[in-house]
Amino acid sequence: AQRVTQPEKLLSVFKGAPVELKCNYSYSGSPELFWYVQYSRQRLQLLLRHISRESIKGFTADLNKGETSFHLKKPFAQEEDSAMYYCALSGVGAQKLVFGQGTRLTINP
Amino acid sequence: DTGVSQNPRHKITKRGQNVTFRCDPISEHNRLYWYRQTLGQGPEFLTYFQNEAQLEKSRLLSDRFSAERPKGSFSTLEIQRTEQGDSAMYLCASSPHRPAASHYEQYFGPGTRLTVT
Repeated sequence: AQRVTQPEKLLSVFKGAPVELKCNYSYSGSPELFWYVQYSRQRLQLLLRHISRESIKGFTADLNKGETSFHLKKPFAQEEDSAMYYCALSGVGAQKLVFGQGTRLTINP
Repeated sequence: DTGVSQNPRHKITKRGQNVTFRCDPISEHNRLYWYRQTLGQGPEFLTYFQNEAQLEKSRLLSDRFSAERPKGSFSTLEIQRTEQGDSAMYLCASSPHRPAASHYEQYFGPGTRLTVT
């Protein structure tokens, strides 16, 4: 079964502090992993995907197949990072996305 | 083209009534997806189309739900005999498709919030 788990519903950190949003997945093959973000009053949008191996808005995420994790990290949080973050996976050959429950990140000034 | 659009944005209906939602994807995208999101949860996949063909349906899509994309452009999602448990945000997304590509970014619409009283 395909499953994505985000253990933290809420995460609050101070501006300038490091932030890590956890994501664990369950999938029998080699999935594609994504982070989607939803800022206040905006629609859901792609933040980054593991195959791109790029840093977006200072965020990075590394796929760890041994731990089946895809944690999202940023070394220095900014107030504009406050948003709802969803980890998602797509199976090989599949098109649908399986989302986690989401983590609401709040950056305190 | 300003992205995926959905209408209406909000719908309040009484239990037992039928409702229909519309999604207009980004014009050059031939894949269209429907998701449902309830409070405190992430989006859950319902169904997707490639052009006018409905290629996959979730078991969440009971026989009261039907989706169409008759000309491969806009899509409609109809819920018959609505129940209180149908109250949710219904999201539409679209993506391009090219053979041999593993996955393309899905662009989401603003959603239609359904409240069944």
